[in-house]
Amino acid sequence: QQQVKQSPQSLIVQKGGIPIINCAYENTAFDYFPWYQQFPGKGPALLIAIRPDVSEKKEGRFTISFNKSAKQFSLHIMDSQPGDSATYFCAAIYQGAQKLVFGQGTRLTINP
Amino acid sequence: NAGVTQTPKFRVLKTGQSMTLLCAQDMNHEYMYWYRQDPGMGLRLIHYSVGEGTTAKGEVPDGYNVSRLKKQNFLLGLESAAPSQTSVYFCASSYWPKSTYEQYFGPGTRLTVT
Repeated sequence: QQQVKQSPQSLIVQKGGIPIINCAYENTAFDYFPWYQQFPGKGPALLIAIRPDVSEKKEGRFTISFNKSAKQFSLHIMDSQPGDSATYFCAAIYQGAQKLVFGQGTRLTINP
Repeated sequence: NAGVTQTPKFRVLKTGQSMTLLCAQDMNHEYMYWYRQDPGMGLRLIHYSVGEGTTAKGEVPDGYNVSRLKKQNFLLGLESAAPSQTSVYFCASSYWPKSTYEQYFGPGTRLTVT
């Protein structure tokens, strides 16, 4: 019940396309859902986050869509660029928890 | 502000050798974490600490020990390295209680055990 399942494991998209990464969870106590971005050779860094009372959040070209009833959330990257090539992790946490639960990660490649 | 730093960046060990990885943060964060990252396995939590002098087990604690003697430092020890511990190790920290979801990661340590 503590798991967050992420798909796909890897994704290749042409420049300008819209990659979509999906995550699903079981624990309805989760109340915060961050996404982390990791470039090769670097540590992950927080990209964008959403609470379940909001169905969508945009920051620049990155959008999180949230479906509370389905217990699913997804990351969309508009007008994707080769510089967006990275590994993306979804995560979840509930208030008072001491640690994040991470998805397995998606390795995204944007071809020029 | 250096953020989260890790020492060393790379290390090669022989099976059975021991070593300590050092993590330091200058953000006065309460919480600190050690993860390992392996291809296709994502980030797996080894141990974590919610304050100076405290430690707790994560999902893959076997073969590792940790200590948090000072708030800014979190040490990860391997007493007898095994090839299965070949991995990239990341340290992270976060501010309690409001922003536990925002973890700040170090640059990683690439460890190879032969």
